[in-house]
Amino acid sequence: NAGVTQTPKFQVLKTGQSMTLQCAQDMNHEYMSWYRQDPGMGLRLIHYSVGAGITDQGEVPNGYNVSRSTTEDFPLRLLSAAPSQTSVYFCASRNNRGRHYEQYFGPGTRLTVT
Amino acid sequence: AQKVTQAQTEISVVEKEDVTLDCVYETRDTTYYLFWYKQPPSGELVFLIRRNSFDEQNEISGRYSWNFQKSTSSFNFTITASQVVDSAVYFCALSEEKAAGNKLTFGGGTRVLVKP
Repeated sequence: NAGVTQTPKFQVLKTGQSMTLQCAQDMNHEYMSWYRQDPGMGLRLIHYSVGAGITDQGEVPNGYNVSRSTTEDFPLRLLSAAPSQTSVYFCASRNNRGRHYEQYFGPGTRLTVT
Repeated sequence: AQKVTQAQTEISVVEKEDVTLDCVYETRDTTYYLFWYKQPPSGELVFLIRRNSFDEQNEISGRYSWNFQKSTSSFNFTITASQVVDSAVYFCALSEEKAAGNKLTFGGGTRVLVKP
């Protein structure tokens, strides 16, 4: 199993540009989520999905959209990038045994918005 | 609201020394789950341990041990006989039973630097 994969690893955007961060998992996990990591703040939840066709907002959803058309994929879209969105983005998934089992994280995407 | 505090931002030790990372949490829920994750310099997040609020037994896994004390709302992590490979940022995280979205609330992290 590849686990949780994310592309790209690095990205530089100009203010106002849009892009999609890709996330895929091959563990048949129903639950997937997106976090952003900023210095000294740990990770904060952006959006999450409990299954295909179902998404919901997390702690810091503004400026981001998600969709979940398949169990495997959970892309994160930045509609109009802003410098405040410069961060490291992590996708995570959890198995179906229980709501509070550990989440497994992808390798991250480092995004810089100039 | 759930909150996790890791007061130590950075700890520097010499190899073979023990190091203890503090984690203090706040929650109003009676059922909750605590986690530790390791983030090595390569950047990925590695799951280390999960503990639920009803299980206060301490746990040891090799050189790692965890001390969970509900009375003080703490879930501390000790690395015994530290090694250079232990150099990383360590995150403590909390998930409440009633939290929407299985939200993990992370502390700010503690950077551990183990010098040879």
